[in-house]
Amino acid sequence: GAVVSQHPSWVICKSGTSVKIECRSLDFQATTMFWYRQFPKQSLMLMATSNEGSKATYEQGVEKDKFLINHASLTLSTLTVTSAHPEDSSFYICSARDFRLAEYYEQYFGPGTRLTVT
Amino acid sequence: GNSVTQMEGPVTLSEEAFLTINCTYTATGYPSLFWYVQYPGEGLQLLLKATKADDKGSNKGFEATYRKETTSFHLEKGSVQVSDSAVYFCALSDINFGNEKLTFGTGTRLTIIP
Repeated sequence: GAVVSQHPSWVICKSGTSVKIECRSLDFQATTMFWYRQFPKQSLMLMATSNEGSKATYEQGVEKDKFLINHASLTLSTLTVTSAHPEDSSFYICSARDFRLAEYYEQYFGPGTRLTVT
Repeated sequence: GNSVTQMEGPVTLSEEAFLTINCTYTATGYPSLFWYVQYPGEGLQLLLKATKADDKGSNKGFEATYRKETTSFHLEKGSVQVSDSAVYFCALSDINFGNEKLTFGTGTRLTIIP
């Protein structure tokens, strides 16, 4: 099946620094990638949708200058948390989908990245 | 807006017990409904789906029926196994201006004891 990886799986950074999280589709081309955030005991909240070669579309309430998303190729999207603060600590999950596939609805999820800002 | 409400966990059952995890939804339009499963250390995987009213999704012994009249999509399995221990997420998908999004419930942690 389709596999999506994320790197790193966990990261600890100091307040004020920036952190980059990578999301890769390993055996398929992802025309669209999604970034989610998950708080403890809460559901996944969609942050943004990115189409390859285009600017990301952010959900209401998500700061685009703080969460920079780049989807420069069909197999890689990156999320950069700029000037991170402790309230940005969370579990970040990406998913990917190839709109050209017959299974239009299915998104393939990465294992997630745990970010802790001290 | 769209929302999904699912049974709070954690749920602990003995092996071979019957499982039900409740899920209800609120949506405009005609959403598709999904159950995702997340095993420890892994990403979410699609378990089953239903795209229209009265459809039944099934996979690995799990079933869920799209009930429009009760806006529900309850997950059931007749006899659970230890390997079913995971977190289960109910979700809906609604195409909004061509930008399809998934809305998730909070997840239900299931633990099966031998």
